[in-house]
This record gives sequence, structure tokens and C-alpha cells, in this order.
Amino acid sequence: QKEVEQNSGPLSVPEGAIASLNCTYSDRGSQSFFWYRQYSGKSPELIMFIYSNGDKEDGRFTAQLNKASQYVSLLIRDSQPSDSATYLCAVLLLTGGGNKLTFGTGTQLKVEL
Amino acid sequence: GAVVSQHPSWVICKSGTSVKIECRSLDFQATTMFWYRQFPKQSLMLMATSNEGSKATYEQGVEKDKFLINHASLTLSTLTVTSAHPEDSSFYICSARQGVQSNQPQHFGDGTRLSIL
Repeated sequence: QKEVEQNSGPLSVPEGAIASLNCTYSDRGSQSFFWYRQYSGKSPELIMFIYSNGDKEDGRFTAQLNKASQYVSLLIRDSQPSDSATYLCAVLLLTGGGNKLTFGTGTQLKVEL
Repeated sequence: GAVVSQHPSWVICKSGTSVKIECRSLDFQATTMFWYRQFPKQSLMLMATSNEGSKATYEQGVEKDKFLINHASLTLSTLTVTSAHPEDSSFYICSARQGVQSNQPQHFGDGTRLSIL
């Protein structure tokens, strides 16, 4: 079982719709969760982070965390073509060698006109 | 805030050459920096964790003698790929963690695309 799992997509949504991106993780002791956006050929850009169960909103983005289900999601409201990118879920895992940020393989989002 | 600069953006060189990549935190001090490698269509793989003033911690399978890391100041870490070969061609990305707590977000540089001929 992968430590951080995401559906690779592509996830296609029409402009103006809500895009829902999902991520599951295997280590129940994980405490910190991050969403990064990566455009093709570019490096990741931090979108949001969440530490506590529940929802966290920032503009058009909402991160949702459910530690009991080991599930974290990112909602993008009023999706725009510029939101088309790969979204990486990252989980901070506590390992024997220290905390390590582990990335999922990413979900490709396509926002269509 | 939290800007990380990485140079160079592109490197093309012959097999056997050593290549040095710099990672700088421009508006904050970074006790810890990280070096990742990303192959096409794959996610980021952590290579090593770089701590200012101490030896880097390498992930399993990463040769420390081939990938030399120096973190001499709170704003600069360097990765040197020694005697690079075509299989080392990849997208190398550094990140810096703002603050000393391990749960603080990492901010990424723009990456270095390395092509070894």
C-alpha cells in the first residue's frame, strides 16, 4: 500500500464548477497535510495546509481533513482554466529518521471552457 | 514572502561532468532545506535533508558521495552531482522550510532541469 494515494486523473470539470480532489494516507500518526499545485515543467507551489480535523477555507480553496478515515481533500470552487494543473497531496510522516514529507503521485485537473 | 530561488534552471553537459545547483531562501532563514528529484510523470522523491551546519541526511538508495550537499548558511544549500551520467538526468527541486517546527510548510524553488549527454 502506498503511503499517500491519489487518483491520477485526469479530472475534467467545466469552468465555474467545483473540483474535488481526494487523497488517502496510510500512516495514522500523520499530523500535517499539504496541497501543492504543479504546472507542467514547473516546481510545486503551496496551496494550503491543514493540521486539524474539519474544513479550512482560503479564498476559492477548501481543504478537508478526516483523520479517522485517513482522508484529506481539496475543493476548488468556481474553477478556472488557470487552475488546470497537477495537484499534489503531501503528508508529513514521522519516521525513524525524523519527519518526512511524502508526496502522492498527483491528480491532473483539467478545467474546460 | 517565503521565496526560494534555485539556480541554474537548466543544465546540459557531457557525461562525467560535475554539476552544482544552488538553493537560496531569499526572505527567510531556513535551518532545514530539502532536495528532491522528479522523473517525468512521477511524483517528487526526497533525496536528502540538509541541515545548516551539519551533515545532510540521505534517503535510502541515494549515494551521498555522488550527491554532495552543503548547507553552510541559513539561506544557502548546494547540491553537487559528481561525475554525472545520463541516468542522472532529471528535474531536481529544492525546498526550504520556514521556521524550526517540522510541521511548517516547505516552499519550493523553481527547479533545475539536468540533462546529461
